[in-house]
Amino acid sequence: DVKVTQSSRYLVKRTGEKVFLECVQDMDHENMFWYRQDPGLGLRLIYFSYDVKMKEKGDIPEGYSVSREKKERFSLILESASTNQTSMYLCASKSGTGDSDEQFFGPGTRLTVL
Amino acid sequence: GQNIDQPTEMTATEGAIVQINCTYQTSGFNGLFWYQQHAGEAPTFLSYNVLDGLEEKGRFSSFLSRSKGYSYLLLKELQMKDSASYLCASMDSNYQLIWGAGTKLIIKP
Repeated sequence: DVKVTQSSRYLVKRTGEKVFLECVQDMDHENMFWYRQDPGLGLRLIYFSYDVKMKEKGDIPEGYSVSREKKERFSLILESASTNQTSMYLCASKSGTGDSDEQFFGPGTRLTVL
Repeated sequence: GQNIDQPTEMTATEGAIVQINCTYQTSGFNGLFWYQQHAGEAPTFLSYNVLDGLEEKGRFSSFLSRSKGYSYLLLKELQMKDSASYLCASMDSNYQLIWGAGTKLIIKP
């Protein structure tokens, strides 16, 4: 079974802090994604990566950066956390480029910025 | 613009059938996904449709009409464990998923 893990389930940070969210997948997937999920809104793509050291902006990249130094690990960085970044963050991975390939999600990190 | 519409919440009775609708408008189309998400958990894949028609998978079926930009998820013989949010997502011409806000399904005994 594919497993996607995220470093924390719950995280509380203060405004201005630098925040690292880590995601690891164990199935050698090429593609990895970071989303945020807010009530009443669909999942919104922040960044994705289709290979090591490759990254592409999603729909809402402002205030975020990412790092993919190893195939299995995709990190989301909030350079200076703000209260409007309080959200549920979901990491996902997907193999290959097949249209029908499903994305496998991690359990999510609920981030609160005070 | 790109848009996915689905009802915010639905209620159904244990043992009954429920249909969750989804309409989509995306730049290009490479398929329609349905995911299930229990409260506080990760979304999990249910189905993928790219051709018109009905795909049946046990108690769950998914339908697609490309000409109408419409899909539905049909859940039969509802069980209490089916209480969850159901997310509709359309894959656009860039092979990115555009997500609906999800339909919260409440099952009553």
